[in-house]
Amino acid sequence: DAKTTQPPSMDCAEGRAANLPCNHSTISGNEYVYWYRQIHSQGPQYIIHGLKNNETNEMASLIITEDRKSSTLILPHATLRDTAVYYCIVGYGGSQGNLIFGKGTKLSVKP
Amino acid sequence: DAGVIQSPRHEVTEMGQEVTLRCKPISGHDYLFWYRQTMMRGLELLIYFNNNVPIDDSGMPEDRFSAKMPNASFSTLKIQPSEPRDSAVYFCASSLTPQGALATNEKLFFGSGTQLSVL
Repeated sequence: DAKTTQPPSMDCAEGRAANLPCNHSTISGNEYVYWYRQIHSQGPQYIIHGLKNNETNEMASLIITEDRKSSTLILPHATLRDTAVYYCIVGYGGSQGNLIFGKGTKLSVKP
Repeated sequence: DAGVIQSPRHEVTEMGQEVTLRCKPISGHDYLFWYRQTMMRGLELLIYFNNNVPIDDSGMPEDRFSAKMPNASFSTLKIQPSEPRDSAVYFCASSLTPQGALATNEKLFFGSGTQLSVL
């Protein structure tokens, strides 16, 4: 079973920031937080991951709380192409074969 | 790089037939994963390989499913005999061995999937 809890759906206006929450209260000390997204009919796409510190890349920012029990993925300026299912996953890494994808959050970006 | 390549893109077959799904990972990647996605169960890991060796096949649903990786650039997932409940999208993914304490290159690259329909 997935170790994360995400809202099933969210809406966001185009051009605004999309903030996607994730709860992972049972995360272990050396487990990472990963975010992937899946656009309709495509394979999942890696977005970002982190351990303790906040992380930023060209796609998004990841904010992890100090107790590591929750995190937020931020898409700073959402576009229509960001409409997708976003998966928050905790684990030791894909190479450990334990990235378990839950139901995710369906983000709908509206004009 | 062309990314992870899967074939066929769509497969329609009749119950009882053998189905073979194919995957070419990204060159240089040493991990390969097979996932299955359905509406009911979401995205499930079936099996994964490291350096062509199966590491964990505990997600393979039953003996009708088998996977091989004869070399670093090719893997197959076979279902024999196929059943209607096997209908799903099957994804292949590959990755590199994580480097460093923060595993900065730790990410899975997925193919476009094979949509399998068993009638």
